Amino acid sequence: AQSVTQLDSQVPVFEEAPVELRCNYSSSVSVYLFWYVQYPNQGLQLLLKYLSGSTLVKGINGFEAEFNKSQTSFHLRKPSVHISDTAEYFCAVILNTGGFKTIFGAGTRLFVKA
Amino acid sequence: ETGVTQTPRHLVMGMTNKKSLKCEQHLGHNAMYWYKQSAKKPLELMFVYSLEERVENNSVPSRFSPECPNSSHLFLHLHTLQPEDSALYLCASSQAPASGGTDTQYFGPGTRLTVL
Repeated sequence: AQSVTQLDSQVPVFEEAPVELRCNYSSSVSVYLFWYVQYPNQGLQLLLKYLSGSTLVKGINGFEAEFNKSQTSFHLRKPSVHISDTAEYFCAVILNTGGFKTIFGAGTRLFVKA
Repeated sequence: ETGVTQTPRHLVMGMTNKKSLKCEQHLGHNAMYWYKQSAKKPLELMFVYSLEERVENNSVPSRFSPECPNSSHLFLHLHTLQPEDSALYLCASSQAPASGGTDTQYFGPGTRLTVL
């Protein structure tokens, strides 16, 4: 069965510091990979996605992620965070079999401190 | 504002009530989704409709009944719910290419449901 593991439930970081949110997945078939962000009292918003091609993917708000097939990881990074980046971040996969089923990780709460 | 609206935003109901959640998308998409978001648990996909046909039914109890009358509207009918059904219910929409759900999903703000 497929699964997504976000290794940190909470990540506190100071403003302007770099951050990495970790995501690992398990699947017997190829997958497409996504990162979503959820701000308080809002739905999810796509940050970036990997479908094919370059393994380094750039998204909105200065975030990027790198797909590592050998380590089955898709970690999210930002070189300098802002207070406004405080939110919940979700990693997700869709199987490369033409379906619609999205499997989400449990989320990582990023808390940016002044 | 994502182009996906959900009503009501908050709902409190007893276990014997019948209620419905409504989702509307103004993006011209042809796939719509219902998710359940519970505290401390991953987001759970409940149902997916593509071109008004149900294409995913993720082992959801029959007390949840989806309806997709057209590509812009999606309903979730609720009856005889349990307290453990209390959660945030999120609706999303996307384009539905032949490759499946790889297009970006746009989420509504959710309906916070409390079952007493």
